Amino acid sequence: SQQGEEDPQALSIQEGENATMNCSYKTSINNLQWYRQNSGRGLVHLILIRSNEREKHSGRLRVTLDTSKKSSSLLITASRAADTASYFCAITSGSARQLTFGSGTQLTVLP
Amino acid sequence: EPEVTQTPSHQVTQMGQEVILRCVPISNHLYFYWYRQILGQKVEFLVSFYNNEISEKSEIFDDQFSVERPDGSNFTLKIRSTKLEDSAMYFCASNLGRGNSPLHFGNGTRLTVT
Repeated sequence: SQQGEEDPQALSIQEGENATMNCSYKTSINNLQWYRQNSGRGLVHLILIRSNEREKHSGRLRVTLDTSKKSSSLLITASRAADTASYFCAITSGSARQLTFGSGTQLTVLP
Repeated sequence: EPEVTQTPSHQVTQMGQEVILRCVPISNHLYFYWYRQILGQKVEFLVSFYNNEISEKSEIFDDQFSVERPDGSNFTLKIRSTKLEDSAMYFCASNLGRGNSPLHFGNGTRLTVT
């Protein structure tokens, strides 16, 4: 499998706190992407980080990538109840265009 | 903002029956994909489609599956003889196909095989 596991599998925090989710993978990558999925809905692209980048920001999201450790983290700052969802990392590698997804982190933000 | 649309949202079928899941990708996108997600499990790649032919497919995408772009807008997934284990959410996605082009997903079709 190209993809390892995300941790934690589930995370519950209070509104206003920061949430950190981690993702590990096994192969070399072209890029790593984070997606969000609300219950019963499709996946929504959040942010993409290329293999030669180490950190990227988008609004309240901060993604880091450590290719030497084959890992990435997604930080959501000042969380809101509306951030409650499942978060998935996904990679592309080699010549393949399809994404390989991790198993996801279920984030619950309590009001 | 343009979006990927999928129909139906929920399909119930009996084992052995054929089903066709429909998708309308974003109009200027070039690559189309099907993924599935069995309840509580990972999102799994099935197949990608470009220039009217399959570009890549996974081990899951065996002979019972087929894809088609019958006209300029629709992209369909056909499952010829459904099995109980085909019960899952099926997601269509599309993108421009450039190296760092994110996927845009539809809201999925929940397929229940009884």
